[in-house]
Amino acid sequence: TQLLEQSPQFLSIQEGENLTVYCNSSSVFSSLQWYRQEPGEGPVLLVTVVTGGEVKKLKRLTFQFGDARKDSSLHITAAQPGDTGLYLCAARGRRTDSWGKLQFGAGTQVVVTP
Amino acid sequence: NAGVTQTPKFQVLKTGQSMTLQCAQDMNHEYMSWYRQDPGMGLRLIHYSVGAGITDQGEVPNGYNVSRSTTEDFPLRLLSAAPSQTSVYFCASSDRRTVGYTFGSGTRLTVV
Repeated sequence: TQLLEQSPQFLSIQEGENLTVYCNSSSVFSSLQWYRQEPGEGPVLLVTVVTGGEVKKLKRLTFQFGDARKDSSLHITAAQPGDTGLYLCAARGRRTDSWGKLQFGAGTQVVVTP
Repeated sequence: NAGVTQTPKFQVLKTGQSMTLQCAQDMNHEYMSWYRQDPGMGLRLIHYSVGAGITDQGEVPNGYNVSRSTTEDFPLRLLSAAPSQTSVYFCASSDRRTVGYTFGSGTRLTVV
């Protein structure tokens, strides 16, 4: 059973500051995804990374997949109050029989205050 | 498109009662999953399916049953509810391994 560890658990910053959230595991993944969840809603996909070393940018959000495909990071530049939410990483295993099994980390709660 | 539809949105059960949480998707997705979300624990996988007629257990399957008779529907059954099953339940679907899951808006279940 793969285990995804996210850090930190909670992050409170002022508008305009930068932040980084980490997702780590001892397992190798075929792909890794980042979601954001707002209160009372289901998670919404932000990005999928597939290739080791891959970097993807989504406006002020930068996602990186580790070279060994065991870890990932999410960096937000100049955070805004609208970035507030629970950020979750999720991954599927490498084996084809585990592709349907998407497992999540515990999440990082980000609060951006004006 | 409606996406993933979950019903009901809220439910209160007494210990020992049974119920079915409904989940339907209209995107012709192969993969469907059920998760429960508890404070500080992220989403934990209960059961998942990679196609009609195929289901498998996730991390926390005890106390829950599923079936997948059609591509569209993936109901979750609680046979004898327990207070430990008080949680928010999410259903999700996906069509390929590199594509993210689309989530429903959740069912908040309280077992008293």
